[in-house]
Amino acid sequence: QVQLVQSGSELKKPGASVKVSCKASGSKPSGYKFINYAMNWVRQAPGQGPEWMGWIDTNTGNPTYAPGFTGRFVFSLDTSVNTALLQISSLKAEDTAVYYCAKEVLGLVLTGGMDVWGQGTAVTVSS
Amino acid sequence: QSALTQPPSASGSPGQSVTISCTGISSDVGGYNYVSWYQQHPGKAPKLMIYEVTKRPSGVPDRFSGSKSGDTASLTVSGLQAEDEAEYYCSSYAGDNNYVFGSGTKVTVL
Repeated sequence: QVQLVQSGSELKKPGASVKVSCKASGSKPSGYKFINYAMNWVRQAPGQGPEWMGWIDTNTGNPTYAPGFTGRFVFSLDTSVNTALLQISSLKAEDTAVYYCAKEVLGLVLTGGMDVWGQGTAVTVSS
Repeated sequence: QSALTQPPSASGSPGQSVTISCTGISSDVGGYNYVSWYQQHPGKAPKLMIYEVTKRPSGVPDRFSGSKSGDTASLTVSGLQAEDEAEYYCSSYAGDNNYVFGSGTKVTVL
């Protein structure tokens, strides 16, 4: 069984940066390999629905960003420890949200499903 | 891309069925058989209930079923149970390696 464990809540001031980690683990029978499944990032602002931020190809490290998540948002990997990373710079109050990582269901292509989610990381931006 | 359109709320009594619609356009829902549905309880992460329009991940009860016609996808929950009360979101592949989520539907079990 695959698990995604994210880093803890963050409280940041406007203009600061934050890095969220998402560590993947899988028990042996699952046959899960980190580099074989795309990783998505999803934002959920308070009281709102999920918003897809983009994804990263865990084999090549190539990120794709959704419109509205270019410039200040960076997806990266540390494949040595099966970890996906999200960095947000120049934080604004409107970045206050829960950020989730979510594994693609079938592999390294987007086929319409995120079957394993991290527990979410709450990022609060406030002066 | 714009969010997919879902009704804000739906309800049914225990044992009844409820169907939630998810309307997009030809470049997302209508263009691909890559619609998924997520259940979210308050304070929890979303849970995948249906992917690729009709497929259920292991462990999801067969009371949950999905379908699609044209630009509209649907999720049906049969034999409603108290634990089905939650927010439900659809999502669709939208081309160029992009996804879009729906606006969400709050399902209430009366």
